[in-house]
Amino acid sequence: QKEVEQNSGPLSVPEGAIASLNCTYSDRGSQSFFWYRQYSGKSPELIMFIYSNGDKEDGRFTAQLNKASQYVSLLIRDSQPSDSATYLCAVTSNFGNEKLTFGTGTRLTIIP
Amino acid sequence: EPEVTQTPSHQVTQMGQEVILRCVPISNHLYFYWYRQILGQKVEFLVSFYNNEISEKSEIFDDQFSVERPDGSNFTLKIRSTKLEDSAMYFCASSGAVQGPQHFGDGTRLSIL
Repeated sequence: QKEVEQNSGPLSVPEGAIASLNCTYSDRGSQSFFWYRQYSGKSPELIMFIYSNGDKEDGRFTAQLNKASQYVSLLIRDSQPSDSATYLCAVTSNFGNEKLTFGTGTRLTIIP
Repeated sequence: EPEVTQTPSHQVTQMGQEVILRCVPISNHLYFYWYRQILGQKVEFLVSFYNNEISEKSEIFDDQFSVERPDGSNFTLKIRSTKLEDSAMYFCASSGAVQGPQHFGDGTRLSIL
């Protein structure tokens, strides 16, 4: 069973600080890694994707991937109250398999 | 910005009835998916569809489920005889490339009575 693990939280971060969200995955052949934001009762919204080891930055968001450790993270700089949501880590495996396997999500609360 | 659209937003159906959930993927995308999320649980893959055929399906996607792309724009999920446990949010997603980013629609909340 291929698994994606996340700390369910809640993670509370003061406004303006850096929020750090972590995810581990069990399938060593995983190829593509995605972070989605999901507000309560809404659909997943794509935030970041990363394919190669290292960091990828987009605005206030940085995704970090370490395939050797089977670890992917999301940093949110200058956290805003509007960042309060559940963050879902999702992974695709190899052999052209494009289905997303999701973690249970980490609930993030930004404290004003 | 192009988006995936789903209808209806909420569907209430009696157990045993058939339901069809509709999706219009992003126009130049080729890969289509259905996922579901039971309240309080994680998002689960149901089926992927490419080149007018199913490319993969999960254990959830049994004989009661089917998908179809009846024309050049719509992508549908049919549940033939609904059960109470089919109550969930159903999300359609599309992607422009294999293993590319998948963009989700707003979802259909399916309630089985």
